Amino acid sequence: QKEVEQDPGPLSVPEGAIVSLNCTYSNSAFQYFMWYRQYSRKGPELLMYTYSSGNKEDGRFTAQVDKSSKYISLFIRDSQPSDSATYLCAMSEGEGKLIFGQGTELSVKP
Amino acid sequence: GAVVSQHPSWVICKSGTSVKIECRSLDFQATTMFWYRQFPKQSLMLMATSNEGSKATYEQGVEKDKFLINHASLTLSTLTVTSAHPEDSSFYICSALGQGKDNEQFFGPGTRLTVL
Repeated sequence: QKEVEQDPGPLSVPEGAIVSLNCTYSNSAFQYFMWYRQYSRKGPELLMYTYSSGNKEDGRFTAQVDKSSKYISLFIRDSQPSDSATYLCAMSEGEGKLIFGQGTELSVKP
Repeated sequence: GAVVSQHPSWVICKSGTSVKIECRSLDFQATTMFWYRQFPKQSLMLMATSNEGSKATYEQGVEKDKFLINHASLTLSTLTVTSAHPEDSSFYICSALGQGKDNEQFFGPGTRLTVL
């Protein structure tokens, strides 16, 4: 069993839709939870960073962490074609080492 | 904001040659940098942790003699792929640990290596 599981998709939605991306994990020692966006042939870009259970909102993005269920989510409201990318969840125990999910490929159609 | 650069952005080489990839933190000092490898449509796999002034820590299954890492200064880490073979062809990405939020890493744009 992988430490971090993420549905690879691909996921295709119409413009304006709400997108839900999810990851589950098995390591209860993970303390930090991140979501990255990666465009093709580019390095990952940090979108959201959380370290406690609950919700964190930044513009159209909301990150949700449920440590009791070992489950994190990223919600994208009013999705735009420019949101089309691969979204990676990542987690850390606190020593800098990140464990990434497989990544979900998202396509937002105009 | 924190910027990390990589050079070159892409490289093509013949089998058996060595290739050096540079990772620089442009506007901050990074005592710790990380090297990742990413195959097409797959996630990032951590190869090694690079600490300034000390030997790199390699992940299980990564050959330290094949992937040489040198973190000579607080703004530069290099990855040298020695005696490259076609199976080494991949997207190599570095990141630098920021000095602000715990565990916030800033990623470089990646280097695409193709070994013929």
